[in-house]
Amino acid sequence: EDKVVQSPLSLVVHEGDTVTLNCSYEVTNFRSLLWYKQEKKAPTFLFMLTSSGIEKKSGRLSSILDKKELFSILNITATQTGDSAIYLCAVPGDASGSARQLTFGSGTQLTVLP
Amino acid sequence: SQTIHQWPATLVQPVGSPLSLECTVEGTSNPNLYWYRQAAGRGLQLLFYSVGIGQISSEVPQNLSASRPQDRQFILSSKKLLLSDSGFYLCAWSSNTYEQYFGPGTRLTVT
Repeated sequence: EDKVVQSPLSLVVHEGDTVTLNCSYEVTNFRSLLWYKQEKKAPTFLFMLTSSGIEKKSGRLSSILDKKELFSILNITATQTGDSAIYLCAVPGDASGSARQLTFGSGTQLTVLP
Repeated sequence: SQTIHQWPATLVQPVGSPLSLECTVEGTSNPNLYWYRQAAGRGLQLLFYSVGIGQISSEVPQNLSASRPQDRQFILSSKKLLLSDSGFYLCAWSSNTYEQYFGPGTRLTVT
């Protein structure tokens, strides 16, 4: 059974701090790893990583994958209160036809204080 | 561009009552569709997925069911709700890629 473990479960920081969120995984047949940000409602897609060592970057957010050690990190620099959210990590399971079921971690609740 | 709709946004139902949640997708054809449940604002649990009309796969045995009567419509149902069915229900779609895109969700409280 595929497994995704995120740490820490929650994190409280002040604006301007840099944070690192962790995601480790065990999956039978690795294809990719995805990061989502969830504020009050729907998770929104951030990154998809497929190759080790290649950083994906979007503004103050960046992420990298280590396929040898089976983990990924999500970095947020110069945090702002708008970064407060649950950050979810997911891996696709075995395909059934064209469907790609995602196994999610339990998320990291990030709170950024002004 | 593609959009995904869910309704209702919130729902309070008594134990033993039926349930019907609806999800529709616009701007794409033959999407893969998914129903997830999220408890206590944490990780998402996949309940059902569908690769086409009338094709439903269940991931977790429970008193919920799903149907896909049209290409871009996905319905989650129950004949008799349990207290443990309370949660945040999310519908998502994907094409032939790994990224899934989520609807706004339905917060269900069973009393």
